[in-house]
Amino acid sequence: SAVISQKPSRDICQRGTSLTIQCQVDSQVTMMFWYRQQPGQSLTLIATANQGSEATYESGFVIDKFPISRPNLTFSTLTVSNMSPEDSSIYLCSVVGGRAVGADTQYFGPGTRLTVL
Amino acid sequence: RKEVEQDPGPFNVPEGATVAFNCTYSNSASQSFFWYRQDCRKEPKLLMSVYSSGNEDGRFTAQLNRASQYISLLIRDSKLSDSATYLCVVNGGYGNKLVFGAGTILRVKS
Repeated sequence: SAVISQKPSRDICQRGTSLTIQCQVDSQVTMMFWYRQQPGQSLTLIATANQGSEATYESGFVIDKFPISRPNLTFSTLTVSNMSPEDSSIYLCSVVGGRAVGADTQYFGPGTRLTVL
Repeated sequence: RKEVEQDPGPFNVPEGATVAFNCTYSNSASQSFFWYRQDCRKEPKLLMSVYSSGNEDGRFTAQLNRASQYISLLIRDSKLSDSATYLCVVNGGYGNKLVFGAGTILRVKS
């Protein structure tokens, strides 16, 4: 399977600021996704990161709050903008498709643990 | 009604016990089904896919009942290292969009 890394692994931020999280894969993948996991909860899909075009957001998530980039088939970023304590969560990227990753199985990065004060 | 529902547990079992988790899903168009395992403060990791005919991987057996929209996971001879949260995951249709259950907590004790 592919090796997926995320930066930063954790951060503590002040409210009103923004944080950009990076997701890097060691091989080309077809699809990349961003999830949020709030404390004690399961995973919620934020958006699908589309290579070369705007991300596809799920209900309840908007581009102004969570801008996403995907410049190529191995890299994506998620920005959490104008943060509030309610944004404290673990943010995970996941990938599917490509030589190293099955066509219908998603693999997850290690996550970024964000705390907003 | 949630798209994927699981009993949150926790299931507290002794080592060596057999334990079963159930999961129901609401979208009859779902095509792919998975069990993921998530350890505390770690990312989810694929435990096994679930096929219509049922499948087994060592001590783990997964079953799918499409008519009842029901998925199960059976763990035999539980080990301490099996303690984790088990996530029932359903592919909601096109675009590889996954829908996660809230997870079932398993605690195996000596």
